Order: sequence, then structure tokens, then C-alpha cells
Amino acid sequence: KQEVTQIPAALSVPEGENLVLNCSFTDSAIYNLQWFRQDPGKGLTSLLLIQSSQREQTSGRLNASLDKSSGRSTLYIAASQPGDSATYLCAVSSYNTDKLIFGTGTRLQVFP
Amino acid sequence: GAVVSQHPSRVICKSGTSVKIECRSLDFQATTMFWYRQFPKQSLMLMATSNEGSKATYEQGVEKDKFLINHASLTLSTLTVTSAHPEDSSFYICSASRDPSYNEQFFGPGTRLTVL
Repeated sequence: KQEVTQIPAALSVPEGENLVLNCSFTDSAIYNLQWFRQDPGKGLTSLLLIQSSQREQTSGRLNASLDKSSGRSTLYIAASQPGDSATYLCAVSSYNTDKLIFGTGTRLQVFP
Repeated sequence: GAVVSQHPSRVICKSGTSVKIECRSLDFQATTMFWYRQFPKQSLMLMATSNEGSKATYEQGVEKDKFLINHASLTLSTLTVTSAHPEDSSFYICSASRDPSYNEQFFGPGTRLTVL
């Protein structure tokens, strides 16, 4: 059974810092991995999707890497801003199912 | 593109009543729609997967008679919480997939259900 864990559970940093959020999964036979952002009381916004054959994806100040063999992904946020404050979720899907298994999330607070 | 809406965004009801939540893909046809439940400060838990015109597939532990799912068209799925009780209070989020080979889900804004 696939299990997804995110570390740290919470993070509070001053504006301008570069951040690394971690996601690990127990079954390396994944189809893809997605990173999402969730603001309080809101739905999910997709940030990046990495196919199993890819190593990384970039969008603006965000860079997500994937090491399938070790069951890890990292989300790198450059030059963090207060507007980046949210909960970040990673989720993986497998080849034989279209289900997404979500991680436990990292609550990020960036203060001015 | 790939916008998913949910209605209502927030609902408060009395215990014992039924509540229907709609999920629509606005600019694409969704081959599959998913319903999730999220408790405060917890992650999303998949409740069921539905394909247009067929019965939904429920996850283990989810009562199909309590959480009725209808996927009437390629752009609309509904979740009905029957005989709601306070323990059903939660944040319900739907998602839709337009290309099963790519396996990317697009999420709605969620519905906050409060049962008094």
C-alpha cells in the first residue's frame, strides 16, 4: 500500500529565504507525482506535475525534482514571499490506477 | 483551461437531512471524476471514483448508501450526503481528469458542509 509522507509538517521562515519541502513515498512504481498548493478553506491549485520518466519540472520560482528509485521528491521555492504562505501537498499516482495518494502536507508561513 | 467548479461552496443543514453537492468541469469533458474528504488540518482522503454512465467505485470504509454519487454526464458529477449527521461535517473536494493516459486531476474549490 502506497504511503506518502511530507517533511517538515510546518515551516515558518522570513521573506526572501530559499526553501526545500520534502515528499517521500514507499512504492517507487509511480506514474506521476504532483505538487499542489492549498490556501485555508480553499481547493487545490496544481503547481507542478512530474511524470515518472522525468527528473524535474520548473515553473517560475518553483522547482520540483523526482528521484523515483529512492522514493523522494523535493519542492524548491526560491526567494520566498508572504504570498507563498499556504499548505503544500504532494500526491502520487500509480500505473494500474488513476487514484492520487496524498501526503500529509507542509504548512508554510513566510513572514515579512 | 481545465476549470472545475463546485456548488454550493458552503452549506449548513440540520441533522437527518440530505445534501447534494455538484461538481462540474467547465471547459473540458471529464472521463473520470473523484470525490475527496478533508478533515481540519488533515490531508485529502479519496472517497470514490466515478466514470460517466457507470456506478462509482468506493474506497474501503466509505458507505455507498450514505454517500450517493451520480455521474450523469461528462461534465457533471453529484455527491449526495444522505441523512447527514454532525460527524459528516467536513470539507468535500471533487476533481476531474480529462485524459486518463496523462493522469492529471484538476480540483474544484471545495464545499464546506456543516451539519448541526
